[in-house]
Amino acid sequence: EVQLVQSGAEVKKPGESLKISCKGSGYIFTSYWIGWVRQMPGKGLEWMGIIYPGDSDTRYSPSFQGQVTISADKSISTAYLQWSSLKASDTAMYYCAADLGSYGYKGFDYWGQGTLVTVSS
Amino acid sequence: SYELTQPPSVSVSPGQTARITCSADALPKQYAYWYQQKPGQAPVLVIYKDSERPSGIPERFSGSSSGTTVTLTISGVQAEDEADYYCQSADSSGTVVFGGGTKLTVL
Repeated sequence: EVQLVQSGAEVKKPGESLKISCKGSGYIFTSYWIGWVRQMPGKGLEWMGIIYPGDSDTRYSPSFQGQVTISADKSISTAYLQWSSLKASDTAMYYCAADLGSYGYKGFDYWGQGTLVTVSS
Repeated sequence: SYELTQPPSVSVSPGQTARITCSADALPKQYAYWYQQKPGQAPVLVIYKDSERPSGIPERFSGSSSGTTVTLTISGVQAEDEADYYCQSADSSGTVVFGGGTKLTVL
């Protein structure tokens, strides 16, 4: 069974750093794109970026380029999303999602449960 | 920047047909994907590559494409179909975006 299990909710202060994780299981982690999607409170889905763990090829949405870093550790089948300096506007639910249907990273057929990040002073 | 435009809301009575459109602002249009999201839950893929249905998704969900517009059709809407629906596609450079989402209300 394919599973994407994300790390737990986080509460941080502005300016702090953060790295959240997404562990894949039930499939060959290095062979499929895995990405991140933001959903701010009461708002829609936003595509942030994606990584191919096999060779670490990474693509970012222009809206998120330079604001976050996406990485993966294939030895433990885990993808990461990190911030070096959080802002209050980073408060959102963050989902990881995988393209196991080989859609050329343009679609996601498996999703994690989401990680709620709250940034508040 | 590439944008996908959806109506904010669609309302239908049970048993009727709901159609949710998603318009791209430029050609060429790549394949579109549709997701259903219920409150407090992660999105679920309901249509891929414009019109293909993943296993486990009811047959009442279908997709179509014409020009720069794709449409998600739900035939014989049921109360359980009430949710937010998002389209997703990419521009020619490979930048992926979601539409703004459509809230489907079953009256």
